[in-house]
Amino acid sequence: DAKTTQPPSMDCAEGRAANLPCNHSTISGNEYVYWYRQIHSQGPQYIIHGLKNNETNEMASLIITEDRKSSTLILPHATLRDTAVYYCIVRSRDNQGGKLIFGQGTELSVKP
Amino acid sequence: DAGVIQSPRHEVTEMGQEVTLRCKPISGHDYLFWYRQTMMRGLELLIYFNNNVPIDDSGMPEDRFSAKMPNASFSTLKIQPSEPRDSAVYFCASRHRFDSPLHFGNGTRLTVT
Repeated sequence: DAKTTQPPSMDCAEGRAANLPCNHSTISGNEYVYWYRQIHSQGPQYIIHGLKNNETNEMASLIITEDRKSSTLILPHATLRDTAVYYCIVRSRDNQGGKLIFGQGTELSVKP
Repeated sequence: DAGVIQSPRHEVTEMGQEVTLRCKPISGHDYLFWYRQTMMRGLELLIYFNNNVPIDDSGMPEDRFSAKMPNASFSTLKIQPSEPRDSAVYFCASRHRFDSPLHFGNGTRLTVT
């Protein structure tokens, strides 16, 4: 599975959009991009995933570039409760076991 | 839906003792995963099961670690004998199908003194 690169930390003002980037320049055509987050002392929580089209759900939006080498997770109106570590993960569609390999993630701090 | 249930939430034990961590996956989920998290190494996949059968245990650190899934609703991760370097938070996760999102439990914080 392709590796990902994320900034180690980011700050965001409460109420503003949080844009978390992820680089996955070696991604192949059959690999999905997944985003999870981990709030302190809890297990990771699924946010969203996509293959090549942009995706949106009640939690966030996922923007994938046309060449699929990078993506951005957007939290449209960040709240203090969005403070967490955000993980960008690439996983092959052919990976029948679906095992997810977590990197170091981005620590997002939402400030009042 | 009660989510993935892990027990105990905290475990403190002395070096050399046997430790057993327990996990109840979400009903109907076919896959179960065990992860370990430390500050130094982050989240590491230890082993995963599909339909109660171990599929990939390449992340299990050494023979002191063993995992079982005797039925679809229960799994254990055992460390015998435990060592201080095993201190970590151990997470269990389950998913319905290979392409479904993972659902994690709240973890067991293990401290080996």
